[in-house]
Amino acid sequence: DTAVSQTPKYLVTQMGNDKSIKCEQNLGHDTMYWYKQDSKKFLKIMFSYNNKELIINETVPNRFSPKSPDKAHLNLHINSLELGDSAVYFCASSPSTASGRSPLHFGNGTRLTVT
Amino acid sequence: SQKIEQNSEALNIQEGKTATLTCNYTNYSPAYLQWYRQDPGRGPVFLLLIRENEKEKRKERLKVTFDTTLKQSLFHITASQPADSATYLCALDTGTASKLTFGTGTRLQVTL
Repeated sequence: DTAVSQTPKYLVTQMGNDKSIKCEQNLGHDTMYWYKQDSKKFLKIMFSYNNKELIINETVPNRFSPKSPDKAHLNLHINSLELGDSAVYFCASSPSTASGRSPLHFGNGTRLTVT
Repeated sequence: SQKIEQNSEALNIQEGKTATLTCNYTNYSPAYLQWYRQDPGRGPVFLLLIRENEKEKRKERLKVTFDTTLKQSLFHITASQPADSATYLCALDTGTASKLTFGTGTRLQVTL
């Protein structure tokens, strides 16, 4: 009965490859997010979707393309992977777009290693 | 520039003592401030939310204060236990709907 689930948990790949990370939430929330946590543990927002519509694109390279087939799913596709993309990627959801007053529910992350 | 700062060094305290973690921010005027706990290999877990017109919020052994004049929030864990050892993150709504910005986190280590 995991609330926010991401797959895979670990992803090791070579530079130049294309990869996807999947996220699903069963909380009935309208808003979903992708956050990136770098090696210094800094958690930075990448994208936000509300009911399948993109709300926030936080100056992320266009090699990163989120896709939301329905409000319970938000996938992240990354083209032409670079060494600097190595990080932990977290999916999250919240009941509404007003994330300041709505707690975020996070998945357990996908650790991406680009070699 | 806009910043959210937390003690970058780990905080080590003895079991039973009160742990106090600090979150300072500049150039923001958040209406809400949240605290999260993150364990190694896991996602952050929400703990408490406090509004700008609230001075203090409590939940069991946790207490959060929010001083909009000082631009600071303090997070207290009373009667700390080794199980409280984790990284604690503060987060602010930074003026844009659907955007919660996180601080750098403080690692707390509670020893016997």
